[in-house]
Amino acid sequence: SQQGEEDPQALSIQEGENATMNCSYKTSINNLQWYRQNSGRGLVHLILIRSNEREKHSGRLRVTLDTSKKSSSLLITASRAADTASYFCATQPNSGNTPLVFGKGTRLSVIA
Amino acid sequence: DAGVIQSPRHEVTEMGQEVTLRCKPISGHNSLFWYRQTMMRGLELLIYFNNNVPIDDSGMPEDRFSAKMPNASFSTLKIQPSEPRDSAVYFCASSRQNYGYTFGSGTRLTVV
Repeated sequence: SQQGEEDPQALSIQEGENATMNCSYKTSINNLQWYRQNSGRGLVHLILIRSNEREKHSGRLRVTLDTSKKSSSLLITASRAADTASYFCATQPNSGNTPLVFGKGTRLSVIA
Repeated sequence: DAGVIQSPRHEVTEMGQEVTLRCKPISGHNSLFWYRQTMMRGLELLIYFNNNVPIDDSGMPEDRFSAKMPNASFSTLKIQPSEPRDSAVYFCASSRQNYGYTFGSGTRLTVV
């Protein structure tokens, strides 16, 4: 069963704009991760944020985590056509190597 | 490192036939995961291994599905007999503890 739920399900923006995707989850977590999937490909790990962290940056990506609201957001700044993909959040419920639980993803389209 | 290697990339088979999907994880990763992805259900965890030992196979849909990991560098997912509803993309992923997952490119299975 999915724990993370992304919002919106689909997002279409112009190149150069910022894209924000949100994720909500239900139970306590060890960490939360964001992945990208291009059409016909496997998922690619983007960023991991631990439960004791509030914000993390990686290049044009900014992830926030609010454990009190059980929510996270992924911001992509200055979007490019190459950012077009599906983005998934995944939660790791416990410490140790327990499996990630994935949401159904946000489909991002960046129009040149 | 070549990443997680899955084979075949595509498989078309007739209902009732046996299908074997293969995965070579990244060297040094001690966990391996099999996921199935469909439009309707998203990413579903089928089974995962820690240090070659199956930990949780509760996601395996039926007894027709089985998975093995005879050593740290190889795993198989077998469906016998296959049915049209098994059509999906099957992903293998590997990881180290508390790190992000590395996914393979997937096997697109079509059962006719």
